[in-house]
Amino acid sequence: LAKTTQPISMDSYEGQEVNITCSHNNIATNDYITWYQQFPSQGPRFIIQGYKTKVTNEVASLFIPADRKSSTLSLPRVSLSDTAVYYCLVGLLFKDMRFGAGTRLTVKP
Amino acid sequence: GAGVSQSPSNKVTEKGKDVELRCDPISGHTALYWYRQSLGQGLEFLIYFQGNSAPDKSGLPSDRFSAERTGGSVSTLTIQRTQQEDSAVYLCASSLGQGGVEKLFFGSGTQLSVL
Repeated sequence: LAKTTQPISMDSYEGQEVNITCSHNNIATNDYITWYQQFPSQGPRFIIQGYKTKVTNEVASLFIPADRKSSTLSLPRVSLSDTAVYYCLVGLLFKDMRFGAGTRLTVKP
Repeated sequence: GAGVSQSPSNKVTEKGKDVELRCDPISGHTALYWYRQSLGQGLEFLIYFQGNSAPDKSGLPSDRFSAERTGGSVSTLTIQRTQQEDSAVYLCASSLGQGGVEKLFFGSGTQLSVL
């Protein structure tokens, strides 16, 4: 089971790009990397998922280096509404659906 | 249904009482997960189901906790003889469960308060 390490918290300002890095040194060959976002009083929601290189969707980009031992979630031009906790998950099958402590992002005006 | 539904949204109980929390997953999702989240903390994995069976019960904190799933759909998490440390938000999620990479869809949770 790949263990993940993320910063506990990050601060940013509106309009800035935010990059949150997750370390997963013992990622397995078949593991995927998935990021979730959680707002207060809500369950987490899926943001983005990838296996290697770069993935982009309407919400974020995910950068994964060749060795796949880390990944970076990039949020372009954040707004106050992006204040949330962001979780990185690494795994493939049902047994891998364990969340770490996440990164608490605070966006300031 | 359109999303994962959990009930009740809030539950206040007295120490020592039993409680049942319900989760109704997205239609067609065969995998179902229960998590617990204490105030300001991350998600603690409790149990997952594939169909009606629970291959992994390792996350259940004690034998006071049990869960079942019937008909491959609705799941119930039961906490017997509740303690104050059981107070938390209990979150349920479901996924297609077809194997391979899973994408979880979460409900809004049940806030449990044990007095």
